Amino acid sequence: GDSVTQMEGPVTLSEEAFLTINCTYTATGYPSLFWYVQYPGEGLQLLLKATKADDKGSNKGFEATYRKETTSFHLEKGSVQVSDSAVYFCALSDRETTDSWGKFQFGAGTQVVVTP
Amino acid sequence: NAGVTQTPKFQVLKTGQSMTLQCAQDMNHEYMSWYRQDPGMGLRLIHYSVGAGITDQGEVPNGYNVSRSTTEDFPLRLLSAAPSQTSVYFCASISGDGSYEQYFGPGTRLTVT
Repeated sequence: GDSVTQMEGPVTLSEEAFLTINCTYTATGYPSLFWYVQYPGEGLQLLLKATKADDKGSNKGFEATYRKETTSFHLEKGSVQVSDSAVYFCALSDRETTDSWGKFQFGAGTQVVVTP
Repeated sequence: NAGVTQTPKFQVLKTGQSMTLQCAQDMNHEYMSWYRQDPGMGLRLIHYSVGAGITDQGEVPNGYNVSRSTTEDFPLRLLSAAPSQTSVYFCASISGDGSYEQYFGPGTRLTVT
């Protein structure tokens, strides 16, 4: 079945450092890919998404490119802030299959801690 | 527009007790789902619904029941709580306008002793 693997955390960075969180996936169809962010005590929020190969999702300085050849969707930010401290989840959903519509597979989450 | 709301925020149950976690959304979304979040395991789908009167099982449905009598509400029932059901539970709904955006509630932290 479909699955998502993302790098384990915690990832600890200094402010203004470059952030990369690796995410790879396996899927039988042509999934849409997502990054969600969870701040302490809150639910998940959609950060960005890409629906087809070579699409780049971007939001709030974060970017991720859908790479079908490497089945990856790595999240990057050029200069992190303390306010970026959160847990980040990579997810996929196969919209092509009627039975799978709306079913999301989530990675285990990566905690990011940014220090001043 | 409140989005997705969940009650209660926290709950402690004894083994064997039953309870219902409430979830409501005011965005007229047809698709709603329940997840549980456990450390190191991400979110796992418990049950989902593609519209009023239609529900189906997700990845980890055992010990949980759902019903969907209205578009707005999607309660999750724990029939006989077990310590293994200690978790954080999230309800979510998905926009059907083509954006495919999933909206999450703030979660219910459940402890079963």
